[in-house]
Amino acid sequence: GENVEQHPSTLSVQEGDSAVIKCTYSDSASNYFPWYKQELGKGPQLIIDIRSNVGEKKDQRIAVTLNKTAKHFSLHITETQPEDSAVYFCAASKGGSYIPTFGRGTSLIVHP
Amino acid sequence: EAQVTQNPRYLITVTGKKLTVTCSQNMNHEYMSWYRQDPGLGLRQIYYSMNVEVTDKGDVPEGYKVSRKEKRNFPLILESPSPNQTSLYFCASSTPGTLAYEQYFGPGTRLTVT
Repeated sequence: GENVEQHPSTLSVQEGDSAVIKCTYSDSASNYFPWYKQELGKGPQLIIDIRSNVGEKKDQRIAVTLNKTAKHFSLHITETQPEDSAVYFCAASKGGSYIPTFGRGTSLIVHP
Repeated sequence: EAQVTQNPRYLITVTGKKLTVTCSQNMNHEYMSWYRQDPGLGLRQIYYSMNVEVTDKGDVPEGYKVSRKEKRNFPLILESPSPNQTSLYFCASSTPGTLAYEQYFGPGTRLTVT
């Protein structure tokens, strides 16, 4: 089955810096890669996603890149703010499968 | 307000005492699923449902049951809970016509089994 590795497990940055979280996947048939943000005491919330026919997608301060050949995808957050502090999860799934595989999560801490 | 609700939010119980965690969504989503979240392990899918009366196992279904009698509700049943089922549980639903895409998660249920 699919295996998703996520790094780092913890990331500490200063406000205004950029943050990058990386994920690799094993199943070349995977074609959908969402990123979720989980704030303390809440459920995960989709923040951005990318499909395999796209190499990069941007939404204001966040962007996701996908390298299908290398089977890795990354989340980039620019100009980080304290409210970006949360746990971020990547996931991978493929068309026809109802079972997404999640990474283990990255705890992002943005220091004011 | 579009949302997924879960009840209870917190539950402490004893080994072997049957319990049910309810999940309801008001977005007319066809797809619903249950996850458990454990430290260092991320989110693992327990069961999912593509529509009413259609359910299937996820990655970690042992010790759990589900039912989907109505489109909006997807309860999680632990017939005989054990301490290794102590975890944070999330229900999720997806937009109509999509697969596991764009899931909306509930607020979570923290379960402790002693």
